[in-house]
Amino acid sequence: DIQMTQSPSSLSASVGDRVTITCRASQSISNYLNWYQQKPGKAPKLLIYVASNLQSGVPSRFSGSGSGTDFTLTITSLQPEDVATYYCQQSYSTPRTFGQGTMLEI
Amino acid sequence: QVQLQESGPGLVQPSETLSLTCTVSGGSINNYYWTWIRQPAGKGLEWIGRFSAIGSTDYNPSLKRRVTMSVDTSKNQFSLKVSSVTAADTAVYYCAREDIDVGRRLDQWGQGTQVTVSS
Repeated sequence: DIQMTQSPSSLSASVGDRVTITCRASQSISNYLNWYQQKPGKAPKLLIYVASNLQSGVPSRFSGSGSGTDFTLTITSLQPEDVATYYCQQSYSTPRTFGQGTMLEI
Repeated sequence: QVQLQESGPGLVQPSETLSLTCTVSGGSINNYYWTWIRQPAGKGLEWIGRFSAIGSTDYNPSLKRRVTMSVDTSKNQFSLKVSSVTAADTAVYYCAREDIDVGRRLDQWGQGTQVTVSS
């Protein structure tokens, strides 16, 4: 199985800050990396697919980059509604695997 | 807009079989992979497996011996069965759609259903 490791596990930032979350795969996954946002009591929501593509309807302050084993999710100008847990997921091979999550607080 | 809705018993006895159904509305069940994911309280996401309407399946090796997925295309529903459950199977269970044509992204999710394994 491909292991996905996110850092940090938790993060506190202020409104308007630029926030960066990283995700590392245990082997190359090309660009088959997706990012999800999960708010308390809700299902995860797709933010970014294939490493850098913004899902329809997602605010442009979210962006993704990377390829191979190292990936980044960036939120420019953090908003109060961005409080959530963020997960990366590899879709390169099965079983699909997720990072352990990054809890973002304000 | 496609919508997914999980349904099934919220309480399952230890050693019994957990059975859940996901109903897909607003779109066809064909041409996608359909996925089950679970999340124990306060923990991360675990991919259980996926299958397609044409019968291709992939299960997580950690659960493979106990998991069965199936589809009823006439009802636009797909199902999950997990046998010999224990307390470790207590979780919120999500169904989701995997778009294999666009990055294999999980682009549509159900709201999730809580399953508790307890006597």
